[in-house]
This record gives sequence, structure tokens and C-alpha cells, in this order.
Amino acid sequence: EVQLLESGGGLVQPGGSLRLSCAASGFIFNNYAMSWVRQAPGKGLEWVSLISGSGGETYYADSVKGRFTISRDNSKNTLLLQMNSLRADDTAVYFCAKWGVAAGSFRFFDYWGQGTLVTVSS
Amino acid sequence: IQLTQSPSSLSASVGDRVTITCRASQGISSYLAWLQQKPGKAPKLLIYAASTLQSGVPSRFSGSGSGTDFTLTISSLQPEDFATYYCQQLNSYPLTFGGGTKVEIK
Repeated sequence: EVQLLESGGGLVQPGGSLRLSCAASGFIFNNYAMSWVRQAPGKGLEWVSLISGSGGETYYADSVKGRFTISRDNSKNTLLLQMNSLRADDTAVYFCAKWGVAAGSFRFFDYWGQGTLVTVSS
Repeated sequence: IQLTQSPSSLSASVGDRVTITCRASQGISSYLAWLQQKPGKAPKLLIYAASTLQSGVPSRFSGSGSGTDFTLTISSLQPEDFATYYCQQLNSYPLTFGGGTKVEIK
């Protein structure tokens, strides 16, 4: 059974830093890209970042580029998100999601964690 | 790529046929997924490749379209289907989501 468990959320002051983790199990972790998606309170979903299975390719939303860094530790089946220079509008529930690929190179997020809340406030 | 969902909300009764549309600002072939989210829960994948039903998803859900115009249809709304639905494009980075459609009980 695929399981994704996020941790590391909490309250942080504007300008501060936080590191999120996502512990994965139930699949061969290094075979799949992984992603972070966030959802501000009462708002829709916003894609944040994605990393390839090897960790060699990374992609970011413009809103976090230069402030957030996605990485992974394949020896520990863990996805990470280092968040620096946090702003009030980074306040959200952060979900990690597993990338799936089907025939024809069609891709999707097939499993999601339950999320961890990050609150940026003074 | 911007995704515009309509309507943003709708009220429907159990047994109704419900249609949600998603329009992309440029062509995305069939690289579109539909997700369902219930309050306080993680999103759940319903459909990928515009029309392929994810394993375990009831057959009353269906998707269609390609290019810029897509549709999610629920053929007979069930009590457990009251939720918010999002489309997502996976054609190019940055990946984007539609604004969501909240399906409420009439």
C-alpha cells in the first residue's frame, strides 16, 4: 500500500525558513518523480515543485523559484522541501504527491499525502 | 498554461447528471487530469489522459476532450460525490490547476 506522510509544518515568522519532509512507502521510491502541491486556506490547489526519480531534474513554480529547494534522499525514501524567505502568502497546507506515468507518456499524481500546514505570521 | 473551470460552483440533486468544463489557454493534447477533493482531505485522482478512469473510480465518472476543451461528467450524482473538482494540466511546466468546481447538494 502506497503511503505518503508529510511532516515539518508549523508556525514561522515572515522571512524565516522551514523544511518539510515526506516519508514514502509501498513503492520503489527512486523509480518515481515526486512533487509538492499546496493549498492556501479556503483556496484552490497550486503546484509548487517536482523532482525526478534520480533527483537530477527539478522544476518550480515561479512563485517559489529562488526561495524553495526540492530534494530527495532515495536511501531513506524521503522527499524534502527547503523553504526560505517565507512570506505570508506561503501559508498553506503542503501536500506531497507521487508522479505516475501510463502508456503514451501520460502522467498524473496518483497518490497524495494528507498534508502539513505551514503558517507564516508574526 | 491557464485552466479555466466552469462553473465555479453548482447545486445538484442525487441522481442528477453533472457536467464540469475545463478550458486551457493553449493546446495541451490530452495531458489533463481530474481530481476530487473533500473538505480536509487530500485530492484524489479520478481521471488522467483526459478520459482514462483511474483504477477503483466508479464508472459514473467520465472525461472527454483534447486540445483546449475538456469535460468531466458524473452520470448520476451520488451522496459521496459532493466535493470540489479540479482539472490539472500536465503538458508542460509549470503544472497548473483549474480554480475548482464545488458541487453542493440542492
